[in-house]
Amino acid sequence: AQKVTQAQTEISVVEKEDVTLDCVYETRDTTYYLFWYKQPPSGELVFLIRRNSFDEQNEISGRYSWNFQKSTSSFNFTITASQVVDSAVYFCALSDALMIYNQGGKLIFGQGTELSVKP
Amino acid sequence: GAVVSQHPSWVICKSGTSVKIECRSLDFQATTMFWYRQFPKQSLMLMATSNEGSKATYEQGVEKDKFLINHASLTLSTLTVTSAHPEDSSFYICSATGGEGRSTEAFFGQGTRLTVV
Repeated sequence: AQKVTQAQTEISVVEKEDVTLDCVYETRDTTYYLFWYKQPPSGELVFLIRRNSFDEQNEISGRYSWNFQKSTSSFNFTITASQVVDSAVYFCALSDALMIYNQGGKLIFGQGTELSVKP
Repeated sequence: GAVVSQHPSWVICKSGTSVKIECRSLDFQATTMFWYRQFPKQSLMLMATSNEGSKATYEQGVEKDKFLINHASLTLSTLTVTSAHPEDSSFYICSATGGEGRSTEAFFGQGTRLTVV
């Protein structure tokens, strides 16, 4: 069965601190996609990144970086020099091969991590 | 990127009435649309998967007679909450996939906050 676990329910940091949000996933498939979404208080989901299982390169986009480790089934997300505007709920999600080919785009979400960045 | 529009963004209705939520793909043909529900402080849970022209597939525990899904065209899917009750109050969000090169990515609507009083 597919599962995504975000063990950190809430994180509170002070502005300019670095923060890492953890994500651990479970799937039996060798082909899958991992995602991170940001959900601000308004509710819409903001797409941050998609990574396929064959690409283990870490990625950096501005203050955001992602560490994909297949050996530990983790896809952690780090925000460097956090800002108040980063305050939101962040979701990690998984779409495995069965879901992709039979029902492309069906996602299994983690529980979410609520990040609060204080000034 | 692709745009998925969801309407209305919020709705308040009386208990016992029905509410329809629309999900439109604006610049691509969505062969598959998904409906999720999110209770406060919780994750998004998939309710159903709808493919254009066929009956929706509901997740376990979701009442198909209560949450009617119609995907009559490649750009529109609707979710109707029938005989709504306060416990149906939630955030409903749709996503759509399909079109050339878009079968693996889900584009989300803005969500609909339903309050049943």
